Amino acid sequence: TQLLEQSPQFLSIQEGENLTVYCNSSSVFSSLQWYRQEPGEGPVLLVTVVTGGEVKKLKRLTFQFGDARKDSSLHITAAQPGDTGLYLCAGAGGYGGSQGNLIFGKGTKLSVKP
Amino acid sequence: DAGVTQSPTHLIKTRGQHVTLRCSPISGHKSVSWYQQVLGQGPQFIFQYYEKEERGRGNFPDRFSARQFPNYSSELNVNALLLGDSALYLCASSLRGVNQPQHFGDGTRLSIL
Repeated sequence: TQLLEQSPQFLSIQEGENLTVYCNSSSVFSSLQWYRQEPGEGPVLLVTVVTGGEVKKLKRLTFQFGDARKDSSLHITAAQPGDTGLYLCAGAGGYGGSQGNLIFGKGTKLSVKP
Repeated sequence: DAGVTQSPTHLIKTRGQHVTLRCSPISGHKSVSWYQQVLGQGPQFIFQYYEKEERGRGNFPDRFSARQFPNYSSELNVNALLLGDSALYLCASSLRGVNQPQHFGDGTRLSIL
């Protein structure tokens, strides 16, 4: 069974602080996607990483895909209250699993206080 | 362009009943996937359809079924509802499959009494 473990599960920080969210698995994925979800809404795609070792930046957000394509991290610099939400990582095309699905982690619930 | 639309937005049913949830993908998207999200958890994959054919099925009982229509819209059906089926049901569409950006609707909140 393929699993994606996210940590931490909850994170409460002050505005201006930096943070890192981790997404780990024992399985290799062909790509890994990060989503942000707000209450009452569906997840919104932030980034897709495909190549082992890849780093992508989206303003204050930096995403990294591990060399072995089993893990990923999301780093937020100078967090703002607008960054508050549930951050989900999802793996696609894992070996040994169905090619037709995304496997999601349980998410990291981030709260940024002003 | 309109995003992924799901209907209804909220639904209350009782145990043993049947429910049909509907999803309209983004225009031009041929792949539709269904996910179940229980409170406090990440979405769990139920089905993926591409070009009207089932391409993937998650670990859900046969009470769950789905189909995709010629216009690429999709329905998720759940029979003999159980209390544990209470969840947010999400639909996602993409051009071809899960390795491409998934665009999610805002879901149908299903409550079973």
